[in-house]
Amino acid sequence: DAGVIQSPRHEVTEMGQEVTLRCKPISGHNSLFWYRQTMMRGLELLIYFNNNVPIDDSGMPEDRFSAKMPNASFSTLKIQPSEPRDSAVYFCASSLEAQLGLGYTFGSGTRLTVV
Amino acid sequence: AQSVTQLDSHVSVSEGTPVLLRCNYSSSYSPSLFWYVQHPNKGLQLLLKYTSAATLVKGINGFEAEFKKSETSFHLTKPSAHMSDAAEYFCVVSPPNAGNNRKLIWGLGTSLAVNP
Repeated sequence: DAGVIQSPRHEVTEMGQEVTLRCKPISGHNSLFWYRQTMMRGLELLIYFNNNVPIDDSGMPEDRFSAKMPNASFSTLKIQPSEPRDSAVYFCASSLEAQLGLGYTFGSGTRLTVV
Repeated sequence: AQSVTQLDSHVSVSEGTPVLLRCNYSSSYSPSLFWYVQHPNKGLQLLLKYTSAATLVKGINGFEAEFKKSETSFHLTKPSAHMSDAAEYFCVVSPPNAGNNRKLIWGLGTSLAVNP
């Protein structure tokens, strides 16, 4: 298995532009998580999906952020419009719901820089 | 409410000497506990996990951790550090699979430096 695949690995964009981050979970995993990591706040859970349905989006910072999971093999996190304070590493992770207690598998992350 | 505290933000050891990264947790029930490792500019990798089986858990790369309920601790150890162990380590607590609660509680991380 190729693991959790995120794209792009790096993204540099100008303030005000739309940014879309992509994630392909491990085949068969039915829970998907989006995290953000910064030096100031550490790892923050933004949103998680179970069976393609958003379960908890209370970590999404504001309306500029949105996430979708149109099918079991693909999810997107969109920021529109982007701001410099959105600069961070964004991680996607997946797991089997029945094995959540065994941990998640993380992707390599997308490093976003908004200038 | 659950919480996790990593007692040291930075730990520096010499190559070949033991590693101890400390973690204390607070939970009103028996949690699942994890250690994740993040190498520079890399993703997060599961190092080991405790899920109410044996209290001494062995993980990858020679690391192990012991769950001590009386001390509410889950410290990570390794007998002999290697240069490749230099990374950020995160202690994590997970609630039981109750309802829709899927949130892991993350420590702030401990940066491990290994000196030659």
